[in-house]
Amino acid sequence: TQLLEQSPQFLSIQEGENLTVYCNSSSVFSSLQWYRQEPGEGPVLLVTVVTGGEVKKLKRLTFQFGDARKDSSLHITAAQPGDTGLYLCADDNYGQNFVFGPGTRLSVLP
Amino acid sequence: GAVVSQHPSRVICKSGTSVKIECRSLDFQATTMFWYRQFPKQSLMLMATSNEGSKATYEQGVEKDKFLINHASLTLSTLTVTSAHPEDSSFYICSAKQGVGTEAFFGQGTRLTVV
Repeated sequence: TQLLEQSPQFLSIQEGENLTVYCNSSSVFSSLQWYRQEPGEGPVLLVTVVTGGEVKKLKRLTFQFGDARKDSSLHITAAQPGDTGLYLCADDNYGQNFVFGPGTRLSVLP
Repeated sequence: GAVVSQHPSRVICKSGTSVKIECRSLDFQATTMFWYRQFPKQSLMLMATSNEGSKATYEQGVEKDKFLINHASLTLSTLTVTSAHPEDSSFYICSAKQGVGTEAFFGQGTRLTVV
């Protein structure tokens, strides 16, 4: 059974700071997704990465997929209060089902 | 992006009653739908996977007789919590995919409170 770990579990920073959160898997990802979830809402997909070593950028967010396809990082530059939320990584397990990590709860203070 | 709609967004029911939650894909045909449960400050836990026209596959530890899932059409899946108890209170989220290898879209969730 695949196990996903995310770190840190909680992160509270000031607006304008940079941050990185991490996702590690006990096995190779089939494909890795990063989601952001706000309280009382469903998760919203940020990015999907498939190829080892892949780097994707989405405005102030940079996603990196490890060469061995077992780890990933999400870097946010100049964080804003609107970035506050629960960041989840997930593996869609070759289309069979989704396995989610425990999440990193980010709070960006104005 | 595609839209998945859940209804209701919030429901309060009495202990012992049943409650049905609907998940609809509004602009695509969902061959596969997933149901998740999320406790406060925790991640999503997969409850079951349902493919249109066939029985749902439940994750270990999820009671299929308590959480009835129906995926009768390509745009609708329902989750019925039968004989609900306060410990069933949770945030329930569905997601839908058009096919293997396609993106999954999530509903906005249903907050169930059993009193």
